[in-house]
Amino acid sequence: GQNIDQPTEMTATEGAIVQINCTYQTSGFNGLFWYQQHAGEAPTFLSYNVLDGLEEKGRFSSFLSRSKGYSYLLLKELQMKDSASYLCAVGSGNTPLVFGKGTRLSVIA
Amino acid sequence: GAVVSQHPSWVICKSGTSVKIECRSLDFQATTMFWYRQFPKQSLMLMATSNEGSKATYEQGVEKDKFLINHASLTLSTLTVTSAHPEDSSFYICSAGELAGYNEQFFGPGTRLTVL
Repeated sequence: GQNIDQPTEMTATEGAIVQINCTYQTSGFNGLFWYQQHAGEAPTFLSYNVLDGLEEKGRFSSFLSRSKGYSYLLLKELQMKDSASYLCAVGSGNTPLVFGKGTRLSVIA
Repeated sequence: GAVVSQHPSWVICKSGTSVKIECRSLDFQATTMFWYRQFPKQSLMLMATSNEGSKATYEQGVEKDKFLINHASLTLSTLTVTSAHPEDSSFYICSAGELAGYNEQFFGPGTRLTVL
């Protein structure tokens, strides 16, 4: 079966660091994606991990451990505009991406 | 980067009418496009996979006769909501992948449908 778990909601303070975890159990795997979605808008691509380790891209980093079925998205120097939903998704060949339910992040002053 | 457009961005229609939503890949060819529906504060729900030149693959629980999908070319897929009802009001999003077997998907901006 396909199962992706991530926390439903998180709150963090402006300027801080927040880590959003994602665990997955899928029948295949060829990559894990993180997307950001602001309310009323479509998701936008943030990162892609296919090998174990940390991928850094500016204030955002994403980590993958394939043996543990685990990933996290790390957001540094949080800004108010980072308040959004963050979607974890797993790809497995030619099948559609399997999305988690998303984590709603609220950044407060 | 790859760009996907959707038209219209929003539509209001009367109950019982049909609405067509277009999804276009602007700078790449997409053999496969995906249609999602999203209700407020809920996650993306995959409705169907649209395959160029063949029938769409619908997810369980999605009515094929109500949500008609046509993937007429490598750059265009359409979703027609037939005999729309207020419960069909939702945010409809399409996505497309650039390379077969590579799962990165590029999302269109979405279409907000309101059925009165």
